[in-house]
Amino acid sequence: AQSVTQLGSHVSVSEGALVLLRCNYSSSVPPYLFWYVQYPNQGLQLLLKYTTGATLVKGINGFEAEFKKSETSFHLTKPSAHMSDAAEYFCAVGSGGYQKVTFGIGTKLQVIP
Amino acid sequence: DAGVIQSPRHEVTEMGQEVTLRCKPISGHNSLFWYRQTMMRGLELLIYFNNNVPIDDSGMPEDRFSAKMPNASFSTLKIQPSEPRDSAVYFCASSPVDGYTFGSGTRLTVV
Repeated sequence: AQSVTQLGSHVSVSEGALVLLRCNYSSSVPPYLFWYVQYPNQGLQLLLKYTTGATLVKGINGFEAEFKKSETSFHLTKPSAHMSDAAEYFCAVGSGGYQKVTFGIGTKLQVIP
Repeated sequence: DAGVIQSPRHEVTEMGQEVTLRCKPISGHNSLFWYRQTMMRGLELLIYFNNNVPIDDSGMPEDRFSAKMPNASFSTLKIQPSEPRDSAVYFCASSPVDGYTFGSGTRLTVV
């Protein structure tokens, strides 16, 4: 069984400020972890993923996430928010292969000028 | 690579009518997933296929929903008869092994 908890359905940050979106997971097997971004009226786009190896993962648009097994977390960060980062972000957990991926409820990021 | 292609982008239909949503996955991706997204329930996995074979359809809400994948390049999700509560955005995604690629979705409105 696997599940994802995203803390905070809405997050607001000022332009230029640190972005931190929280994700905790539960998985009975070593997890594959993902962050997706969804812009209005669009599909979900893969930001980054952790499968094995290095626990700090860098993705597109300056985002990165760190897999912390002891904390069962995979928080998404970006040092400086840009207006174009305003979107909804989904954390997801899977177990590799063709197994299904379970998504969190999503966090809407608002960037204030 | 054109990505995952879904059609139509928007569909408005009357209650009781049959609705068919279509998906063309990325060539070479051996898994295909159908999701439904609503404000209330977020992203729900309806069904997924591996190598054209349905693996898990436990997310299909009712017998009114059915999905097929006759070949590696095409899948359909059918709702018959449609109801207003089926209104949602339906996404198709395909995957090689470690990460989905989503289509742009079909926004279904049942009136």
